[in-house]
Amino acid sequence: DTAVSQTPKYLVTQMGNDKSIKCEQNLGHDTMYWYKQDSKKFLKIMFSYNNKELIINETVPNRFSPKSPDKAHLNLHINSLELGDSAVYFCASSQGTSGAKNIQYFGAGTRLSVL
Amino acid sequence: DQQVKQNSPSLSVQEGRISILNCDYTNSMFDYFLWYKKYPAEGPTFLISISSIKDKNEDGRFTVFLNKSAKHLSLHIVPSQPGDSAVYFCAASAQRDGTASKLTFGTGTRLQVTL
Repeated sequence: DTAVSQTPKYLVTQMGNDKSIKCEQNLGHDTMYWYKQDSKKFLKIMFSYNNKELIINETVPNRFSPKSPDKAHLNLHINSLELGDSAVYFCASSQGTSGAKNIQYFGAGTRLSVL
Repeated sequence: DQQVKQNSPSLSVQEGRISILNCDYTNSMFDYFLWYKKYPAEGPTFLISISSIKDKNEDGRFTVFLNKSAKHLSLHIVPSQPGDSAVYFCAASAQRDGTASKLTFGTGTRLQVTL
């Protein structure tokens, strides 16, 4: 039974389209995250939600909008997709936001290719 | 500005020998450090962590050492096994009063354990 699951695993789409990636965790964690791994394999945080409230919002274009309907779900919606959005997007969750509670558990990733 | 650096992109070690992966950081506010392992097409998996109040933490074959004065940490794997072949990411976080602490990742070191 997967702890952090994301769908879809692969997403190929045209420039200008709008797409969503879904994430669910069954660990009972309070905090969820979205990370982007770019072509240089650098993992960088985009957003974090704690109990459905946005707590981290890095410098991300406002075409990216996270939505957390409940603390077990954090979805990522991307408007007007651009070539530079092509990357692997990882969802993660943690018990809390500091020290050992900030140990994050990751999903398998969604590989987004924008053509 | 890369605050967490893994200067060796790859490392090859014989089975049964010790693997030593290194990580340097620049932000003196970091107070919690983690190592993740990542297989292809999977998300990062938490391996081991250490708080800045300690200089060593051991879990089975894995030991993490922290040298705060040098802003350096290392992961030792003894003995190395073929299944340890993966990309290893170092990550760090800084507790800020009452606010969320994000993980800052290094760029990873690819470990190959040969027979």
